[in-house]
Parts: sequence; structure tokens; C-alpha cells
Amino acid sequence: DQQVKQNSPSLSVQEGRISILNCDYTNSMFDYFLWYKKYPAEGPTFLISISSIKDKNEDGRFTVFLNKSAKHLSLHIVPSQPGDSAVYFCAASVGGSARQLTFGSGTQLTVLP
Amino acid sequence: EPEVTQTPSHQVTQMGQEVILRCVPISNHLYFYWYRQILGQKVEFLVSFYNNEISEKSEIFDDQFSVERPDGSNFTLKIRSTKLEDSAMYFCASEGFKETQYFGPGTRLLVL
Repeated sequence: DQQVKQNSPSLSVQEGRISILNCDYTNSMFDYFLWYKKYPAEGPTFLISISSIKDKNEDGRFTVFLNKSAKHLSLHIVPSQPGDSAVYFCAASVGGSARQLTFGSGTQLTVLP
Repeated sequence: EPEVTQTPSHQVTQMGQEVILRCVPISNHLYFYWYRQILGQKVEFLVSFYNNEISEKSEIFDDQFSVERPDGSNFTLKIRSTKLEDSAMYFCASEGFKETQYFGPGTRLLVL
């Protein structure tokens, strides 16, 4: 099942720079997208989400961009901080509440001091 | 800030034994979920639960699995006869009105 793909297993960025994490999807029925951050031995922590009616959503240092025609979304973190080092998952769902999330495989972000 | 809690954090069991994983969702949330992550693999959806019944379930969620909300706070996942391949991290999640699922810290299940 490759409906949600994160093609970069890892990314290293210098502190203070921008981190860009990418995610592609194949199911055109997906209409809600989320980014989660996960530390080892912890559960996913919600970061930011975007509905398919928007193309951008911003929350502090985090911005998510959605390109529906390309079936692509990205998470921008500016400026990156060492505490941002974690695995980042994108997830997608179809149609509202009580719907399953389909997760990508994750990208390990390392922010170097 | 309210959070989802799960117990136990770790569980070791023998193949064929029953296990119950417990979750306390965020108060006032209406939708509840179980996911699992086998080591090295993606987080996978198991089941969603709303209004005291299953809303959706995956192919993984076969007859050996069941969920229950026995009181106003707990949400449980029961595996009746565990198999080696059930070894995974099991995550509970809950959702309120904003279509965002909040996850608990997980239970690491090891089946020997």
C-alpha cells in the first residue's frame, strides 16, 4: 500500500535554516492532510494540518503547502532548531471524522547545531 | 494540555494468550482509534469507533481483535489469541470536532 509516500528517509539541516519535508499521495479522494512528529518510544504528535480546499496553512514556524494537481504536500520549518530532530510523518484521510489515517513511511530530520 | 494515555507501556505475552491494551482518550472526544506500527514499517490503521460501535476497520482487524468502551473513559483493544506477528507498537488516538487525531504514547507488545 503506497498511497502516501515520503521518498526521503532522512534529511539533515543546519540550525537556523529551513527544513523542507515532502510527501506525495496517489489517492485523489484524500481531502485532509496532517503532519505528525515522532520521537523514539513516543506516540505521533500532531503538528499541523491542511484541508484540500486550501493550498497553504501556517502555524508559527511550521507551514504546510498543498499542491493538489501534483498530489504533493510539503512541510516547511523555519527556522529549524535542534529540538525539531525527530521522524516526521505525513498522513491523509478521506471525508471527515472517524476516518482512517493513511501514513507515509516517515522522514528522519536531523537539525545540526 | 489534555492528552491520550495508554497502559501498559510494555507488555510481554506468550503466543496464544489474550491481551488487553487500555487507553484513556481526551475527555469530550467522540472518535477513537487504534493503530499499530510493526518495527520498521508504517503506522497502520486498525479500527475506528464512534457512538459505541465500530465505524471502520482494516483487513488487519480480524476476528481475534475486538474493541470496547466499557465505561465513560476507557477504550480497550483486546487480542484474543496473540500471534508472533502481533508484536508491534499499538497506538490509541482520539478526535474531537476538528478532524485531528491525537495519539497516545503507545503500548509495546511483544509476543513470544
